[in-house]
Amino acid sequence: SQQGEEDPQALSIQEGENATMNCSYKTSINNLQWYRQNSGRGLVHLILIRSNEREKHSGRLRVTLDTSKKSSSLLITASRAADTASYFCATDAEGAQKLVFGQGTRLTINP
Amino acid sequence: DTGVSQNPRHKITKRGQNVTFRCDPISEHNRLYWYRQTLGQGPEFLTYFQNEAQLEKSRLLSDRFSAERPKGSFSTLEIQRTEQGDSAMYLCASSLVSSTGELFFGEGSRLTVL
Repeated sequence: SQQGEEDPQALSIQEGENATMNCSYKTSINNLQWYRQNSGRGLVHLILIRSNEREKHSGRLRVTLDTSKKSSSLLITASRAADTASYFCATDAEGAQKLVFGQGTRLTINP
Repeated sequence: DTGVSQNPRHKITKRGQNVTFRCDPISEHNRLYWYRQTLGQGPEFLTYFQNEAQLEKSRLLSDRFSAERPKGSFSTLEIQRTEQGDSAMYLCASSLVSSTGELFFGEGSRLTVL
């Protein structure tokens, strides 16, 4: 079974707006990562946040992590049509050597 | 560096046939992972190798599935006696042991079992 759960499952916004996706997980982690997947393609790593970090930025991406609530959020600012994709959070449970992915949020940016 | 390469990209087969997928990781990466992804779902872990050693296998990996990484470079994933439920995207990813755990994925091999 998958550890992470993303919310919402689908999100549709207008170009230029901000998009926020949430992820919840169940066990203690070393770090949490976000990946993007265009339809029918492989996943691309976006950003990694360690368990001792609370917020991280990369370009138009902002990730937060709340280990007490076992949750993370991904904010994409000033969205573009090219941001249309599925976004997945992934966690490595402490002691594990693999990433466990959530079910993803399907983001659609309308021009 | 050309990234992670997977072949074939698409495979259509009849139920009961065997199929084999190949993954060529990024050359200096010593870890190689296989994941399976069905439509609308996230990737599910199948197995991973560190160099040539297969260190973990998911319970999803039934005895019809076998993966190898004979020389610690490329890997193959074979599915014997395919079933319609095996239809999925099979994703390969690689990483460095010394890294923070970021995975580099290939484009995937899509299997359709008729």
